[in-house]
Amino acid sequence: NAGVMQNPRHLVRRRGQEARLRCSPMKGHSHVYWYRQLPEEGLKFMVYLQKENIIDESGMPKERFSAEFPKEGPSILRIQQVVRGDSAAYFCASSPPTSLTDTQYFGPGTRLTVL
Amino acid sequence: SQKIEQNSEALNIQEGKTATLTCNYTNYSPAYLQWYRQDPGRGPVFLLLIRENEKEKRKERLKVTFDTTLKQSLFHITASQPADSATYLCALFSGGYNKLIFGAGTRLAVHP
Repeated sequence: NAGVMQNPRHLVRRRGQEARLRCSPMKGHSHVYWYRQLPEEGLKFMVYLQKENIIDESGMPKERFSAEFPKEGPSILRIQQVVRGDSAAYFCASSPPTSLTDTQYFGPGTRLTVL
Repeated sequence: SQKIEQNSEALNIQEGKTATLTCNYTNYSPAYLQWYRQDPGRGPVFLLLIRENEKEKRKERLKVTFDTTLKQSLFHITASQPADSATYLCALFSGGYNKLIFGAGTRLAVHP
């Protein structure tokens, strides 16, 4: 059973460009979470999605950031007009469709560098 | 606001000794507490979960305690090995179990 997959692993963008980060959850998992890790800091929750629904986006910046998890295909975290402060590691996690989720399984992350 | 604190300084120990890492939390009454391991350039890997009604949980060389009165969890690695060197993260569920709040992590270095 393949784990959570994220691509690209490394992404370089210039200021003002768009960044698209992809996450394929583990097989059978329908819950996806995105976290951001700034250098020397802990992981910060961004958004929680189920298929075709955003359940909790309380950690998402109000502007430039959006996320989706379509019926088919991976979950996408999209950052428009990137700025240097967006440089970070972005991790996706998934969990199975149970009412109480004990464990989230993390992907290897996408490291975004904004020049 | 809810806060999780872990020792910010790296913990250096000799191979074979027991490593003990601390996680303290405030303004929160979690039903679950989790520990993850993170290696450089990689995502966190789940290690152990302990529930509020459990005082202690063990898995091979790992042991976790959970004191809801002190609002503290201790994470122990016995007979430590250089391969145990990593950053260890404490995490709590928040808001209906749909998001994790992480501590900043403690870096452990086990020296041969």
